[in-house]
Amino acid sequence: QSALTQPRSVSGSPGQSVTISCTGTSSDVGGYNYVSWYQQHPGKAPKLMIYDVSKRPSGVPDRFSGSKSGNTASLTISGLQAEDEADYYCCSYAGSGVFGTGTKVTVL
Amino acid sequence: QVQLVQSGAEVKKPGASVKVSCKASGYTFTGYYMHWVRQAPGQGLEWMGWINPNSGGTNYAQKFQGRVTMTRDTSISTAYMELNRLRSDDTAVYYCARPYIVAAPADPLFDYWGQGTLVTVSS
Repeated sequence: QSALTQPRSVSGSPGQSVTISCTGTSSDVGGYNYVSWYQQHPGKAPKLMIYDVSKRPSGVPDRFSGSKSGNTASLTISGLQAEDEADYYCCSYAGSGVFGTGTKVTVL
Repeated sequence: QVQLVQSGAEVKKPGASVKVSCKASGYTFTGYYMHWVRQAPGQGLEWMGWINPNSGGTNYAQKFQGRVTMTRDTSISTAYMELNRLRSDDTAVYYCARPYIVAAPADPLFDYWGQGTLVTVSS
């Protein structure tokens, strides 16, 4: 399976919103509501931010939200904060795992 | 608290094998599958497969079939990932990861990760 496609980078000022897209196919993103998002700071292990397209694990701020339309899932970060600067990866986890190419979020 | 502690960094020559360990604590080791994910320098995440610590059953991503072996030792709550016939493009940080409590055991959805083990393949 090929990696899911994400933009290489997105940026925004503190307080703004940014949206990261994650495009797959009808065999992964489009076929199941099993999309997750991870945040990864440099040198650290990934942290689960969203699962089942739009659910947040306990402790994840509600500034992070997920959605899906067709073969494309999206992660929106509202009220951008300095600590949100990190790499973000989507993942389709229906049976086997396919990750996205990763997006670097920069807070200007 | 749940902890996954991995073995230290390794340097290997092309064609050699590497075995990375992942010691679990803070939960019942046999109650959760253990998955392995790798990340090449500056690159994205790549799912490798899982082992069921209870039965020893495994499932490997197609890309790694024939080259990877996942095992476990329940007496010491430790999972292992061995990769054979190493190539330079196997240079990566290798993570073990435990599925999120609400996930199906085999689904690659993780809330606990090891600290990562850097494997460098170089002649």
